[in-house]
Amino acid sequence: ETGVTQSPTHLIKTRGQQVTLRCSSQSGHNTVSWYQQALGQGPQFIFQYYREEENGRGNFPPRFSGLQFPNYSSELNVNALELDDSALYLCASSPHRDRGSYEQYFGPGTRLTVT
Amino acid sequence: GQNIDQPTEMTATEGAIVQINCTYQTSGFNGLFWYQQHAGEAPTFLSYNVLDGLEEKGRFSSFLSRSKGYSYLLLKELQMKDSASYLCAVRDQPGNTPLVFGKGTRLSVIA
Repeated sequence: ETGVTQSPTHLIKTRGQQVTLRCSSQSGHNTVSWYQQALGQGPQFIFQYYREEENGRGNFPPRFSGLQFPNYSSELNVNALELDDSALYLCASSPHRDRGSYEQYFGPGTRLTVT
Repeated sequence: GQNIDQPTEMTATEGAIVQINCTYQTSGFNGLFWYQQHAGEAPTFLSYNVLDGLEEKGRFSSFLSRSKGYSYLLLKELQMKDSASYLCAVRDQPGNTPLVFGKGTRLSVIA
Protein backbone atom coordinates (compact mmCIF):
# COMPACT_ATOMS: atom_id res chain seq x y z
CA GLU A 1 0.00 0.00 0.00
CA THR A 2 1.48 3.35 -1.08
CA GLY A 3 1.26 6.20 1.38
CA VAL A 4 0.61 9.87 0.68
CA THR A 5 3.31 11.45 -1.46
CA GLN A 6 3.99 15.11 -2.18
CA SER A 7 6.20 16.98 -4.60
CA PRO A 8 8.40 18.86 -4.61
CA THR A 9 10.05 18.42 -1.22
CA HIS A 10 11.44 21.93 -1.10
CA LEU A 11 10.78 25.03 -3.17
CA ILE A 12 12.09 28.58 -3.17
CA LYS A 13 10.04 31.27 -4.89
CA THR A 14 10.09 35.04 -5.15
CA ARG A 15 7.33 37.29 -3.88
CA GLY A 16 4.65 37.76 -6.53
CA GLN A 17 5.32 34.45 -8.28
CA GLN A 18 2.93 31.52 -8.56
CA VAL A 19 3.48 27.98 -7.29
CA THR A 20 1.87 24.57 -7.78
CA LEU A 21 2.25 21.81 -5.21
CA ARG A 22 1.23 18.21 -5.87
CA CYS A 23 -0.13 15.38 -3.79
CA SER A 24 -0.93 11.73 -4.46
CA SER A 25 -3.38 10.28 -1.99
CA GLN A 26 -3.04 6.93 -0.28
CA SER A 27 -4.48 4.02 -2.25
CA GLY A 28 -8.24 3.80 -1.78
CA HIS A 29 -8.57 7.31 -0.31
CA ASN A 30 -10.80 9.70 -2.23
CA THR A 31 -10.74 12.71 0.07
CA VAL A 32 -7.78 15.08 0.17
CA SER A 33 -7.22 17.96 2.57
CA TRP A 34 -4.51 20.61 2.42
CA TYR A 35 -3.00 22.31 5.45
CA GLN A 36 -0.48 25.12 5.91
CA GLN A 37 1.93 24.80 8.83
CA ALA A 38 4.01 27.84 9.74
CA LEU A 39 7.12 27.32 11.84
CA GLY A 40 6.23 26.53 15.44
CA GLN A 41 2.51 26.36 14.72
CA GLY A 42 -0.04 23.64 14.21
CA PRO A 43 -1.41 22.89 10.73
CA GLN A 44 -4.11 25.29 9.49
CA PHE A 45 -6.82 23.94 7.19
CA ILE A 46 -6.82 25.39 3.67
CA PHE A 47 -9.41 23.31 1.78
CA GLN A 48 -10.68 19.80 1.18
CA TYR A 49 -11.57 17.95 -2.02
CA TYR A 50 -13.89 15.01 -2.53
CA ARG A 51 -14.74 13.57 -5.94
CA GLU A 52 -13.00 16.47 -7.71
CA GLU A 53 -15.12 19.08 -5.91
CA GLU A 54 -14.07 21.46 -3.15
CA ASN A 55 -16.24 20.58 -0.15
CA GLY A 56 -14.77 22.73 2.60
CA ARG A 57 -12.52 25.76 2.87
CA GLY A 58 -10.64 27.42 5.70
CA ASN A 59 -9.85 31.08 6.18
CA PHE A 60 -7.51 31.51 3.21
CA PRO A 61 -7.82 34.08 0.39
CA PRO A 62 -8.91 33.13 -3.15
CA ARG A 63 -5.32 33.21 -4.41
CA PHE A 64 -5.11 29.76 -2.76
CA SER A 65 -6.86 27.37 -5.13
CA GLY A 66 -6.85 23.68 -5.83
CA LEU A 67 -7.82 20.78 -8.00
CA GLN A 68 -8.53 17.12 -7.55
CA PHE A 69 -8.14 14.70 -10.43
CA PRO A 70 -10.11 11.50 -11.26
CA ASN A 71 -7.31 9.40 -9.69
CA TYR A 72 -7.81 11.43 -6.46
CA SER A 73 -4.44 13.15 -6.70
CA SER A 74 -4.56 16.86 -5.99
CA GLU A 75 -2.84 20.18 -6.62
CA LEU A 76 -2.55 23.31 -4.51
CA ASN A 77 -1.94 26.54 -6.40
CA VAL A 78 -0.92 29.78 -4.79
CA ASN A 79 -0.85 33.00 -6.84
CA ALA A 80 0.85 36.29 -6.04
CA LEU A 81 3.06 34.75 -3.37
CA GLU A 82 3.67 36.73 -0.20
CA LEU A 83 6.46 36.37 2.33
CA ASP A 84 3.95 35.03 4.89
CA ASP A 85 3.19 32.11 2.58
CA SER A 86 6.51 30.58 3.60
CA ALA A 87 5.50 27.39 5.40
CA LEU A 88 5.27 23.61 5.27
CA TYR A 89 2.30 22.59 3.10
CA LEU A 90 0.80 19.28 4.12
CA CYS A 91 -1.55 17.09 2.18
CA ALA A 92 -3.68 14.54 4.02
CA SER A 93 -5.86 11.84 2.54
CA SER A 94 -8.67 9.88 4.13
CA PRO A 95 -11.27 7.33 3.06
CA HIS A 96 -14.68 8.87 2.56
CA ARG A 97 -16.61 5.78 3.57
CA ASP A 98 -15.51 5.12 7.12
CA ARG A 99 -17.90 4.97 10.03
CA GLY A 100 -15.00 5.29 12.43
CA SER A 101 -12.50 8.01 12.93
CA TYR A 102 -12.01 9.17 9.31
CA GLU A 103 -8.34 9.23 10.22
CA GLN A 104 -6.23 11.56 8.08
CA TYR A 105 -2.93 10.28 6.73
CA PHE A 106 -0.37 12.99 6.06
CA GLY A 107 2.24 13.25 3.36
CA PRO A 108 5.80 14.45 4.08
CA GLY A 109 4.96 18.00 3.05
CA THR A 110 6.44 20.62 0.76
CA ARG A 111 8.62 23.27 2.39
CA LEU A 112 7.94 26.55 0.55
CA THR A 113 10.21 29.53 1.09
CA VAL A 114 9.20 32.89 -0.37
CA THR A 115 11.94 35.52 -0.63
CA GLY B 1 -14.38 30.60 17.59
CA GLN B 2 -12.17 27.56 17.77
CA ASN B 3 -9.51 27.34 20.46
CA ILE B 4 -7.21 24.47 21.29
CA ASP B 5 -4.59 24.97 23.99
CA GLN B 6 -1.59 22.87 24.84
CA PRO B 7 1.72 23.68 26.51
CA THR B 8 4.40 24.97 24.16
CA GLU B 9 7.30 22.94 25.49
CA MET B 10 7.98 20.12 27.94
CA THR B 11 11.10 18.28 29.02
CA ALA B 12 11.21 14.80 30.53
CA THR B 13 13.80 12.18 31.39
CA GLU B 14 14.40 8.97 29.50
CA GLY B 15 12.43 6.11 31.10
CA ALA B 16 9.99 8.45 32.83
CA ILE B 17 6.29 9.15 32.21
CA VAL B 18 5.02 12.43 30.76
CA GLN B 19 1.48 13.78 30.40
CA ILE B 20 0.68 16.36 27.71
CA ASN B 21 -2.57 18.21 28.31
CA CYS B 22 -4.94 19.69 25.76
CA THR B 23 -8.02 21.83 26.37
CA TYR B 24 -10.43 22.75 23.63
CA GLN B 25 -13.33 25.08 22.93
CA THR B 26 -14.89 24.32 19.57
CA SER B 27 -18.27 24.88 17.96
CA GLY B 28 -18.88 21.14 17.88
CA PHE B 29 -17.14 17.91 18.84
CA ASN B 30 -16.79 14.81 16.73
CA GLY B 31 -13.54 13.32 17.98
CA LEU B 32 -10.10 14.26 19.24
CA PHE B 33 -6.84 13.14 17.68
CA TRP B 34 -3.23 13.12 18.82
CA TYR B 35 -0.46 13.22 16.25
CA GLN B 36 3.32 12.98 16.64
CA GLN B 37 5.49 15.15 14.40
CA HIS B 38 9.26 14.93 14.23
CA ALA B 39 11.03 18.05 13.02
CA GLY B 40 10.56 18.55 9.28
CA GLU B 41 8.38 15.47 8.92
CA ALA B 42 4.68 14.70 8.48
CA PRO B 43 2.38 14.28 11.46
CA THR B 44 1.74 10.61 12.23
CA PHE B 45 -1.43 9.39 13.92
CA LEU B 46 -1.16 8.29 17.55
CA SER B 47 -4.66 8.07 18.98
CA TYR B 48 -8.34 8.90 18.62
CA ASN B 49 -10.95 9.54 21.32
CA VAL B 50 -14.61 10.21 20.73
CA LEU B 51 -16.08 8.87 23.98
CA ASP B 52 -15.02 9.77 27.51
CA GLY B 53 -12.31 7.64 29.02
CA LEU B 54 -8.90 6.21 28.40
CA GLU B 55 -7.62 4.62 25.20
CA GLU B 56 -4.40 2.65 25.59
CA LYS B 57 -2.04 1.69 22.79
CA GLY B 58 1.29 0.32 23.91
CA ARG B 59 3.38 3.01 25.59
CA PHE B 60 0.86 5.68 24.61
CA SER B 61 -2.52 6.38 26.22
CA SER B 62 -5.01 9.15 25.58
CA PHE B 63 -7.81 10.36 27.81
CA LEU B 64 -10.88 12.42 27.02
CA SER B 65 -13.43 14.30 29.10
CA ARG B 66 -16.00 15.90 26.81
CA SER B 67 -17.77 17.74 29.64
CA LYS B 68 -14.50 19.45 30.59
CA GLY B 69 -13.22 19.96 27.05
CA TYR B 70 -10.03 18.22 28.10
CA SER B 71 -7.71 15.53 26.89
CA TYR B 72 -4.26 14.30 27.73
CA LEU B 73 -1.67 12.12 26.05
CA LEU B 74 0.35 9.92 28.37
CA LEU B 75 3.70 8.59 27.24
CA LYS B 76 5.31 5.88 29.36
CA GLU B 77 8.88 4.53 29.42
CA LEU B 78 10.11 7.52 27.48
CA GLN B 79 12.73 6.96 24.83
CA MET B 80 15.00 9.48 23.15
CA LYS B 81 13.12 8.92 19.88
CA ASP B 82 9.97 10.29 21.54
CA SER B 83 11.48 13.78 21.27
CA ALA B 84 9.03 15.43 18.87
CA SER B 85 6.08 17.77 18.71
CA TYR B 86 2.72 16.38 19.80
CA LEU B 87 -0.33 17.88 18.14
CA CYS B 88 -3.82 17.83 19.60
CA ALA B 89 -6.58 18.15 16.99
CA VAL B 90 -10.37 18.25 17.17
CA ARG B 91 -12.90 17.39 14.48
CA ASP B 92 -15.65 19.91 15.12
CA GLN B 93 -18.11 18.73 12.45
CA PRO B 94 -19.52 15.25 11.75
CA GLY B 95 -18.30 13.04 8.96
CA ASN B 96 -15.07 13.21 7.01
CA THR B 97 -14.33 16.86 7.80
CA PRO B 98 -11.12 18.79 8.49
CA LEU B 99 -9.28 18.86 11.79
CA VAL B 100 -8.64 21.91 13.95
CA PHE B 101 -5.13 21.72 15.38
CA GLY B 102 -3.49 23.17 18.43
CA LYS B 103 -0.04 24.71 18.11
CA GLY B 104 1.65 21.56 19.35
CA THR B 105 3.78 20.67 22.35
CA ARG B 106 7.49 20.23 21.73
CA LEU B 107 8.73 17.41 23.97
CA SER B 108 12.42 16.99 24.67
CA VAL B 109 13.55 13.71 26.22
CA ILE B 110 16.87 13.97 28.02
CA ALA B 111 19.18 11.30 29.37
